[in-house]
Amino acid sequence: NAGVMQNPRHLVRRRGQEARLRCSPMKGHSHVYWYRQLPEEGLKFMVYLQKENIIDESGMPKERFSAEFPKEGPSILRIQQVVRGDSAAYFCASSRNLAETQYFGPGTRLLVL
Amino acid sequence: GENVEQHPSTLSVQEGDSAVIKCTYSDSASNYFPWYKQELGKRPQLIIDIRSNVGEKKDQRIAVTLNKTAKHFSLHITETQPEDSAVYFCAATLRDDKIIFGKGTRLHILP
Repeated sequence: NAGVMQNPRHLVRRRGQEARLRCSPMKGHSHVYWYRQLPEEGLKFMVYLQKENIIDESGMPKERFSAEFPKEGPSILRIQQVVRGDSAAYFCASSRNLAETQYFGPGTRLLVL
Repeated sequence: GENVEQHPSTLSVQEGDSAVIKCTYSDSASNYFPWYKQELGKRPQLIIDIRSNVGEKKDQRIAVTLNKTAKHFSLHITETQPEDSAVYFCAATLRDDKIIFGKGTRLHILP
C-alpha cells in the first residue's frame, strides 16, 4: 500500500519561472492538504482540497500560488513567477476523511536561484 | 485567532531519562490531537494521537495526556534513546476540522 507520493523531490528554479509540485494521496484518501516549511521552522498550512474542490485556501498567498485536485491525477501546487522567498520544503498530506489522521508525503524541496 | 502553542522549542535530555513536551490550544471545540516526529530531511510521521474522549494514551515508551479543561496536552517519552532525537510537532483540530500545528520542539538525546 503506497503512501503519499510527491514529485519532484527536489526542484531548482530561477526567479520568474514557474514551479509545479505534484502530490498523489494514499489509496482511498480524497482529502489533500499542502503545507510549507521553512528551514528550522514549523509546518504552515496553505490549502485543503477535496476532489475537484478547494475547501480552504486561507493559508495560501493571494498572488502567484494556486492549487488543484482534478478528478483524475495528482493534486498540483503551482507557483508562478517564483521569488527567492518561495524557497522551502512543500509537504503534501492526505486523509481518508476530514479530521482524521493526515499522512505526509516526502516533500518537495524548492530552491529558487 | 486560533493557535497551538508548544514548549519548549529546544530540549536536551540525557539518554535514558524522560522527555516531556507541552502544548496548549485555544479552540475549546478541538477534539483531535496528533503528534508528529520529523527527522532531519524527512517527512513528519505520526507517532501517537488522542481524541477528546480520552485523557491518556500510551504506546510503549510514548504517552500522551490531555486536559480538556485546561486546554493542554503533553507528549511523554520515557527511557529516551539516540533515535528519539528529532523535531516533534503537536497539532490540534479546529472547529472547522482544520489541523493547526505547533512550532515544534527540537529534542536532543545526549550520550
